[in-house]
Amino acid sequence: ELKVEQNPLFLSMQEGKNYTIYCNYSTTSDRLYWYRQDPGKSLESLFVLLSNGAVKQEGRLMASLDTKARLSTLHITAAVHDLSATYFCAVDRRGGATNKLIFGTGTLLAVQP
Amino acid sequence: NAGVTQTPKFRVLKTGQSMTLLCAQDMNHEYMYWYRQDPGMGLRLIHYSVGEGTTAKGEVPDGYNVSRLKKQNFLLGLESAAPSQTSVYFCASSYVTGRNQPQHFGDGTRLSIL
Repeated sequence: ELKVEQNPLFLSMQEGKNYTIYCNYSTTSDRLYWYRQDPGKSLESLFVLLSNGAVKQEGRLMASLDTKARLSTLHITAAVHDLSATYFCAVDRRGGATNKLIFGTGTLLAVQP
Repeated sequence: NAGVTQTPKFRVLKTGQSMTLLCAQDMNHEYMYWYRQDPGMGLRLIHYSVGEGTTAKGEVPDGYNVSRLKKQNFLLGLESAAPSQTSVYFCASSYVTGRNQPQHFGDGTRLSIL
């Protein structure tokens, strides 16, 4: 059974600081997704990581995938208040023609001024 | 640009009542999904569909039924609502090459069962 774990579950950080969110998954997969959710809102796609060693960057966020370690990281550089949100990773369960995603529990990020 | 539209946005039901949640997408996506989001548990897949007229069970299908009579619509039904079904429900859709594309989510339906 595929399980996805994120840590930390809650992260309070100051503006300008760097930090990393970790996403571990339990079985083989080669597709991992990162989403952002603002309070009371929908999920917004941030990154799609499709292969081992994949690295993608958008603004102050950078995501990477290590399929051998079954680990993805979301690195935040010089955090700003606008990055405050809940971040989810989701892993594609292998098999079948559709991406049946298993989501992590999410990391609530609060960036303090 | 409507994307994925869910109706209603909020609903309160009494135990035992039934209701249908509607999801509509205008992106011509083949795949559609229903999730529920509960505090501390992330999103869990209820049912999904890979095309018009087809549906399949996800992780937590019990107590729910779905139908996809038209490609653009995916309905989620609760036949006899229970308090355990109090949750936020999200619909999502993606292309047939969905494994290389992110799923697009609606704004959610907040459902309370009393």
